[in-house]
Amino acid sequence: GAVVSQHPSWVICKSGTSVKIECRSLDFQATTMFWYRQFPKQSLMLMATSNEGSKATYEQGVEKDKFLINHASLTLSTLTVTSAHPEDSSFYICSARVEAGVGNEQFFGPGTRLTVL
Amino acid sequence: LAKTTQPISMDSYEGQEVNITCSHNNIATNDYITWYQQFPSQGPRFIIQGYKTKVTNEVASLFIPADRKSSTLSLPRVSLSDTAVYYCLVVGTSNTGKLIFGQGTTLQVKP
Repeated sequence: GAVVSQHPSWVICKSGTSVKIECRSLDFQATTMFWYRQFPKQSLMLMATSNEGSKATYEQGVEKDKFLINHASLTLSTLTVTSAHPEDSSFYICSARVEAGVGNEQFFGPGTRLTVL
Repeated sequence: LAKTTQPISMDSYEGQEVNITCSHNNIATNDYITWYQQFPSQGPRFIIQGYKTKVTNEVASLFIPADRKSSTLSLPRVSLSDTAVYYCLVVGTSNTGKLIFGQGTTLQVKP
């Protein structure tokens, strides 16, 4: 299947700093990528839909000014957590949609563990 | 997006067949049923997808009755490495492509 990578796999930062997470589709192009966050022992929560060449669409309750999403190319989407605080500590996962797939087939990245001190 | 309901947890022993049932009463005509597997601290991994009747691949089988209001993921002869969370999703063919994850089923395989 298609491969999606994330970088970094984990990051520790101080409160108030910004952190950028990259999501890449390695062997296919993705006009649409998605960002999720997952707290311990909970399910994935969709944060936003990242569209190449246009603004991201955020889910209700997700602060767009805090979680900046840029989808500058067909293989790269970035999520920047601005002015991170300890409550932003979570597991962030991206996925990329295969345009030609049946039933909106998506492939997920390995996730990025963010810890804010 | 159709809501799904599945058991929160299941226990099994190595070598047994495990069947996880998912209820999706409000599934739409164009929706597919998709199952993902997630290990701790990893992204979900696609297992299988189907529309009706039975689908089988090298990992699992998916049984979907005629009314499509439920589906059953069947894992043959599980091993300890199958311990994971399994998510059932109903996926539409709309342009949004959103996947909404429910609580999933935590499968614990014991020796």
